[in-house]
Amino acid sequence: EIVMTQSPATLSVSPGERATLSCRASQSVSSNLAWYQQKPGQAPRLLIYGASTRATGIPARFSGSGSGTEFTLTISSLQSEDFAVYYCQQYNNWPPASYTFGQGTKLEIK
Amino acid sequence: EVHLVESGGVVVQPGGSLRLSCAASGFTFDDYTMHWVRQAPGKGLEWVSLITWDGGSTFYADSVKGRFTISRDNSRNSLYLRMNSVRTDDSALYYCTKERLRYFDSWGQGTRVTVSS
Repeated sequence: EIVMTQSPATLSVSPGERATLSCRASQSVSSNLAWYQQKPGQAPRLLIYGASTRATGIPARFSGSGSGTEFTLTISSLQSEDFAVYYCQQYNNWPPASYTFGQGTKLEIK
Repeated sequence: EVHLVESGGVVVQPGGSLRLSCAASGFTFDDYTMHWVRQAPGKGLEWVSLITWDGGSTFYADSVKGRFTISRDNSRNSLYLRMNSVRTDDSALYYCTKERLRYFDSWGQGTRVTVSS
């Protein structure tokens, strides 16, 4: 099973600053990586797929990069609504079905 | 607009059974593979199961294999998860999700399952 490891577990950043979140895969997943945002009491929302493509309606301040085993989600200028938990997810192996998530990074206001 | 509405979550005793449902609208349901993803209280996301567009293939996480059964009724635009022999560690919010190219582009609001005696 491919293990996804996110760092840091918690990131404290001031509004207006840049946030950089990391995700590492235990083996190569090519560019088969997605990022999701989850706010308290809400379902996750797709932000990025294919490692770097923004989903429909996602602001340009969100960007994804990386391939293979190392990935980054960058939020260029944090807005108040961006403070949430972020998960990465790989979807590389088929078959068998393999959809593993990282443990999440909580982005909190500094 | 895609809508996924889960139901069926209850408090159930260990060893018991229940069935979750997901009503889908706003897209052509039988064009898409559908999934269940769960989230235990205060924890991260865990993929549970998938079913292909025609119901022809199903897959399960090892943690639920042999106990849970995913199914769908395309005539009713509905997805189901039959949960048997439930354990305390099955307690979670269960999300119905729509797959696009193997990532999850739409999520319901979830239905809560609590396994407790």
